Amino acid sequence: GESVGLHLPTLSVQEGDNSIINCAYSNSASDYFIWYKQESGKGPQFIIDIRSNMDKRQGQRVTVLLNKTVKHLSLQIAATQPGDSAVYFCAENTGTASKLTFGTGTRLQVTL
Amino acid sequence: DTEVTQTPKHLVMGMTNKKSLKCEQHMGHRAMYWYKQKAKKPPELMFVYSYEKLSINESVPSRFSPECPNSSLLNLHLHALQPEDSALYLCASSQAPARNQPQHFGDGTRLSIL
Repeated sequence: GESVGLHLPTLSVQEGDNSIINCAYSNSASDYFIWYKQESGKGPQFIIDIRSNMDKRQGQRVTVLLNKTVKHLSLQIAATQPGDSAVYFCAENTGTASKLTFGTGTRLQVTL
Repeated sequence: DTEVTQTPKHLVMGMTNKKSLKCEQHMGHRAMYWYKQKAKKPPELMFVYSYEKLSINESVPSRFSPECPNSSLLNLHLHALQPEDSALYLCASSQAPARNQPQHFGDGTRLSIL
């Protein structure tokens, strides 16, 4: 059954502010990372990816930063909007081709 | 709108029933995946099909039986499921079964076992 008292980490941000969602990974051999957004009742939606030979990649309103030294990944969302409210997962390619391992997720709440 | 289509969106079945989940993509992707997601948890990989052949089975119980009839379709046959199998079942696809390939997900089938 479900774990009692299990809560997703939550980040609460005011509309218009920038959001930073963090992810720590444990496998130093991971060489490909993806950020997904999952809205209620929907599947994970691809946001942005980054390969380990890069430390920064930018998309539309989003930036992913990769720090391999401390095994840390972050997703920055500029000018956060109500439509950004969702659960955000990082995922890494941990060795076996095609196999993604997901982080525990962070809920982003955008307040007006 | 997602380019990976899953049917049905919701399914309620008894423990003795047999049912199938279906997934379809028309992006020309050659790798397809089944994931299971419990509430407030990340997706967990179940199966990977690579060029229509099963390449990864993450020690999934035999009451779940995947099938890939062609490069666009992926099925998950269900038989004699348990209440703990209630979850959101997600299908995904990627261009190739290789590293550095983003996987694109459908919106899932929410399965309830009575």
